[in-house]
Amino acid sequence: DTGVSQDPRHKITKRGQNVTFRCDPISEHNRLYWYRQTLGQGPEFLTYFQNEAQLEKSRLLSDRFSAERPKGSFSTLEIQRTEQGDSAMYLCASSLSGPGNTIYFGEGSWLTVV
Amino acid sequence: AQSVAQPEDQVNVAEGNPLTVKCTYSVSGNPYLFWYVQYPNRGLQFLLKYITGDNLVKGSYGFEAEFNKSQTSFHLKKPSALVSDSALYFCAVRGDQAGTALIFGKGTTLSVSS
Repeated sequence: DTGVSQDPRHKITKRGQNVTFRCDPISEHNRLYWYRQTLGQGPEFLTYFQNEAQLEKSRLLSDRFSAERPKGSFSTLEIQRTEQGDSAMYLCASSLSGPGNTIYFGEGSWLTVV
Repeated sequence: AQSVAQPEDQVNVAEGNPLTVKCTYSVSGNPYLFWYVQYPNRGLQFLLKYITGDNLVKGSYGFEAEFNKSQTSFHLKKPSALVSDSALYFCAVRGDQAGTALIFGKGTTLSVSS
């Protein structure tokens, strides 16, 4: 098992463009999470899935953000009409269900909006 | 609402000395507490967690943490610091109710000098 993988690792885009990030979780994990981290801050929760169902979304997740997990395996996070304030590292994580189970993080996808 | 406080932005210790990184939390119900470490431009690595049972939890790389319910604290400790322990450390908490997300503190930078 290779852990949580994210692609691309780095993305530079012009303001107004759309970007999409992909996350492949640990294979047996039914929960998948997206977090955002800016410099000097801890990760901020965006959303999570249990299997293919999106169960919770943060108020941070504006209408320009959409996440999917169509077959309960990999997930995509799309940001439409990017803004400079979207520049951050987007972290994907996965776990088994249950609050005591460890959440394992990927290496993150850096987004720079110019 | 859940919250985590890491009162120190930075902790400086000399190699070989004991280290403590502080964390206090607020959560409804029983807490599930986690420590993660992050190296520059990398994702988060799991160190240890408290679910229930013994208040002293042992984790990876010689780290341990002590859960104190009355003080709502979960301080990270190591008896003898290494230069390679220098990194950014995050405390995180989630409650035992279904659907609660893992909430992170702002992080504490640990600097170990030789």
